Amino acid sequence: EVQLVESGGGLVKPGGSLRLSCAASGFTFSSYSMNWVRQAPGKGLEWVSSISSSSSYIYYADSVKGRFTISRDNAKNSLYLQMNSLRAEDTAVYYCARDGLATGDYWGQGTLVTVSS
Amino acid sequence: SSELTQDPAVSVALGQTVRITCQGDSLRSYYASWYQQKPGQAPVLVIYGKNNRPSGIPDRFSGSSSGNTASLTITGAQAEDEADYYCNSRDSSGIIFGGGTKLTVL
Repeated sequence: EVQLVESGGGLVKPGGSLRLSCAASGFTFSSYSMNWVRQAPGKGLEWVSSISSSSSYIYYADSVKGRFTISRDNAKNSLYLQMNSLRAEDTAVYYCARDGLATGDYWGQGTLVTVSS
Repeated sequence: SSELTQDPAVSVALGQTVRITCQGDSLRSYYASWYQQKPGQAPVLVIYGKNNRPSGIPDRFSGSSSGNTASLTITGAQAEDEADYYCNSRDSSGIIFGGGTKLTVL
């Protein structure tokens, strides 16, 4: 069974940093690209970043470019999102999603990031 | 940058058929995928590719596409289909999502 479990969310002050993790199991993690998608409270889904299976290709939404860094450790079956210079508008539930049948064929349960003073 | 446009809200009578649409230039080059999201839950993929359903998705869900418009059709809507529905596709610089359609089953 495919499982994605995010962690690392929490309350952080504006300008602060946070590192999200996504632990994958139930599939060959190293064979799949992975995505981070976020959802602000009461709002729609917003793509954040993508990373290819071997980390050769990395993409970011303009809203996070230069502040967020996506990475992965295939040996640990883990995906990461380093978030720096956080702003109030980064407040959201952050989901990791497997890029398989579609850009998100499996999703984690999400982790909430709140940026507030 | 590209965008995908969805109607904010749609309603359907129980057992009837409803179509949810998604418009955008990226759909001329890439297939849309459709996601169902219920309150407090993660999105679930319901349609991908030309018209494919992941395992476990009822066959009342179907997809179609023409030009810059993709559609999700629910034939014989059930009460449990009440949810937010999002389309998405790849584009030249990443992935884009529609704004979502809130489906109410009356």
